This record gives sequence, structure tokens and C-alpha cells, in this order.
Amino acid sequence: DGGITQSPKYLFRKEGQNVTLSCEQNLNHDAMYWYRQDPGQGLRLIYYSQIVNDFQKGDIAEGYSVSREKKESFPLTVTSAQKNPTAFYLCASSIGRGQLNQPQHFGDGTRLSIL
Amino acid sequence: AQSVTQPDIHITVSEGASLELRCNYSYGATPYLFWYVQSPGQGLQLLLKYFSGDTLVQGIKGFEAEFKRSQSSFNLRKPSVHWSDAAEYFCAVGAEGFQKLVFGTGTRLLVSP
Repeated sequence: DGGITQSPKYLFRKEGQNVTLSCEQNLNHDAMYWYRQDPGQGLRLIYYSQIVNDFQKGDIAEGYSVSREKKESFPLTVTSAQKNPTAFYLCASSIGRGQLNQPQHFGDGTRLSIL
Repeated sequence: AQSVTQPDIHITVSEGASLELRCNYSYGATPYLFWYVQSPGQGLQLLLKYFSGDTLVQGIKGFEAEFKRSQSSFNLRKPSVHWSDAAEYFCAVGAEGFQKLVFGTGTRLLVSP
């Protein structure tokens, strides 16, 4: 079955440490997205990529970095510069190069906590 | 700037009763509208979408939504709620020329026996 796989499901970060969240899709989608979800705040866009080797900042990109070296993969690194990283992180993808009339398909998320 | 409002943070409905979840948006262009559902600890699943045409759209799991341009609303409805419908529901809006979807803050649905 096609879908989006996020790993790990739970992740713990120590102070000053960078951590990388994995997102892989086998839907052959061009566009991929990273969202952060906090209670009562809905989803906020961190980064998005409409094509391989290209990505753009979303609304809350500070303290995060991404890469898009392969169509199926869009890893997110939470750097030590992100002072409040505890949240639920969701990866999504969609057909086409980010056309907003295409629904986004979501992974099951990674919950990141600080030790 | 575009915005989406889900005015109800929590809603409790008795099993078998009808449901309506509200979504209002502020957009200058013709919107693309979506409803998603999220179970605890999981990702979002698309329930339905509206781009154009018939303003009443049918989705999965017996849900429907009606686009009302005059009220800038896209409310989600279900005639008879099941206990398995307890989850969080998100409305999302996009439009041609914009770079991203905007999500509402969600409505948590509780179903009482």
C-alpha cells in the first residue's frame, strides 16, 4: 500500500543536540511538507518542497532545517537553535508541485520531547 | 491575510445525535476547502474537499459539508454520530496563488453514550 512513513514515532532530545526526523513516501508525490502541531494551535507549516533539490521556508522555519535529495524523502532536522522543540511533527505530501487544490496525505507523526 | 476559524474548541454529542462542526474562513479568492480528522497520536485523514460545483459535498464515513459563499462558511455535518467519530477535526483552506494551506485550530468531538 502506498503511504507516508514517519520515524521514529517517539524521539527524545538532549539539550544542545540536533535530531533528525525521517519522512518517506511511496506515493510518487512531488510536493512534501513538514508541520508542527501544538495543543490548541492547529498545524503550523515549517518547510515545504515542491520538487527535488528545492524547498521553501514556512511560517516557523527558525531552528529547523530540511533537505530534499530524493523525491521520496524529506527529512527534518531540529537543531539546538530551536528552543522549544517539544511538539508533534507531521509530514505530508501531495500530487503536483504544491497546487493547493490537491489534498495533502499525512504520515502518523513523530512526537519529540526534551530530556 | 487568509485565516480560518473553528469557533468551537470542544463539542460533546450523544451517540446517534446529529453533528455540525463550524468553519469560517477569510479569503479574497475562491477557496479550496478541506475537512480532516485526526485520532489521538495519529496523522490527519481527509474527510472531504470542495473546489467548485455543487456546494454540498459528500465525504467518507457518512460526513458531508456545505459551502456557503455568502457566509464564508464550510460546516461539516453528520446525521447520526457513532462513538468511533470521537476525534479532532480540522478545517483547512487554500486558494489559487497562495503558497500554503491554512488550518483551523481544530474542534475536539466527544461522543457520550
